[in-house]
Amino acid sequence: DQQVKQNSPSLSVQEGRISILNCDYTNSMFDYFLWYKKYPAEGPTFLISISSIKDKNEDGRFTVFLNKSAKHLSLHIVPSQPGDSAVYFCAASARSGSQGNLIFGKGTKLSVKP
Amino acid sequence: DAGVIQSPRHEVTEMGQEVTLRCKPISGHNSLFWYRQTMMRGLELLIYFNNNVPIDDSGMPEDRFSAKMPNASFSTLKIQPSEPRDSAVYFCASSLWGLGADTQYFGPGTRLTVL
Repeated sequence: DQQVKQNSPSLSVQEGRISILNCDYTNSMFDYFLWYKKYPAEGPTFLISISSIKDKNEDGRFTVFLNKSAKHLSLHIVPSQPGDSAVYFCAASARSGSQGNLIFGKGTKLSVKP
Repeated sequence: DAGVIQSPRHEVTEMGQEVTLRCKPISGHNSLFWYRQTMMRGLELLIYFNNNVPIDDSGMPEDRFSAKMPNASFSTLKIQPSEPRDSAVYFCASSLWGLGADTQYFGPGTRLTVL
């Protein structure tokens, strides 16, 4: 059973508009969430994270929102640029535990059209 | 720093052959992770080392898979014998402490094709 779900395998957005990528999780022990971005033929790279004590974290054009009661987080990219076209992975961990492994979703492929 | 280094970048082999994937983590990082990416299952953790010791290998699919970390700067993932269903992209990642809050830095991956 998937603990981290990204239900939209793909998303297409016009340049300059907002991109919203969604992620749901089932494990209430998760207390730290991350987004990774992956270009073709490269490994995933860290983008932004949020702790469960917050409901929002912003870094430039990227903002992550966390709704703990709904077990839902989203990544907003404003404004979207063609260079943002990539696969975005949501990941979660139980930071308070001793394990360091992240649980990843299957990814959402974002295409930003000029 | 060169980042996480993986070799080979591409591997094509025939069913039944042994495959060895290699990883050099970022210098000074204490934790190393092996992941497999497939269309069906996404990015899944295979095994995780902390200070060269395997901590969690529950993701290793079966006995055909084995991983070692003989020292802090080198790890291998071996598949013997390989099967077509092992075809995937295998990523190695490292992090400073291996804690859940640590950023993991990924290598470029090895694309494995088993015919």
